[in-house]
Amino acid sequence: DAGVIQSPRHEVTEMGQEVTLRCKPISGHDYLFWYRQTMMRGLELLIYFNNNVPIDDSGMPEDRFSAKMPNASFSTLKIQPSEPRDSAVYFCASSSSSRVGGYTFGSGTRLTVV
Amino acid sequence: TQLLEQSPQFLSIQEGENLTVYCNSSSVFSSLQWYRQEPGEGPVLLVTVVTGGEVKKLKRLTFQFGDARKDSSLHITAAQPGDTGLYLCAGVFNDMRFGAGTRLTVKP
Repeated sequence: DAGVIQSPRHEVTEMGQEVTLRCKPISGHDYLFWYRQTMMRGLELLIYFNNNVPIDDSGMPEDRFSAKMPNASFSTLKIQPSEPRDSAVYFCASSSSSRVGGYTFGSGTRLTVV
Repeated sequence: TQLLEQSPQFLSIQEGENLTVYCNSSSVFSSLQWYRQEPGEGPVLLVTVVTGGEVKKLKRLTFQFGDARKDSSLHITAAQPGDTGLYLCAGVFNDMRFGAGTRLTVKP
């Protein structure tokens, strides 16, 4: 398995632009998580899905953030409009129901909003 | 406020030294995991501990879960430069919450 695949690896955009981050989880994993990592706040859970259904989006900072999972093999995190304070590394992770096997993380998308 | 407190925040040691990092919470975990993250990559799972008092060994790494399942420690024996990275603990509650991590640097 290729692991969790995220794209793009790096994104630089201007304030006010729309940004879409993409994630392909590991096949067979039924949980998908979006995290944001900054030096100040560490790893923050934004939202997670179970069987493609959003379960908890309480970590989504504002209405500017939205996430979808149209099928078991694809998810997006969208920021519209983007702001400089959104600059961070965004990680997608997936896991099986048992979670004992832990989360498998992608390599992340480093977002810079200028 | 972090649900999981990790200490120390930063640690810089020489190759060959031993070290211990800690993960504490006021809440009881159903299980706890340790991850290592290298620059430019996502965290990678090292171990999962489930039972209070459990001790797991992974080569030079020893993981301990507190009897009350509120705390954990990671001990590294004879650290090597390849151990350099950010060590994160994560507790499973309804979802998984991560500590802020301990950033370890092992100098040759």
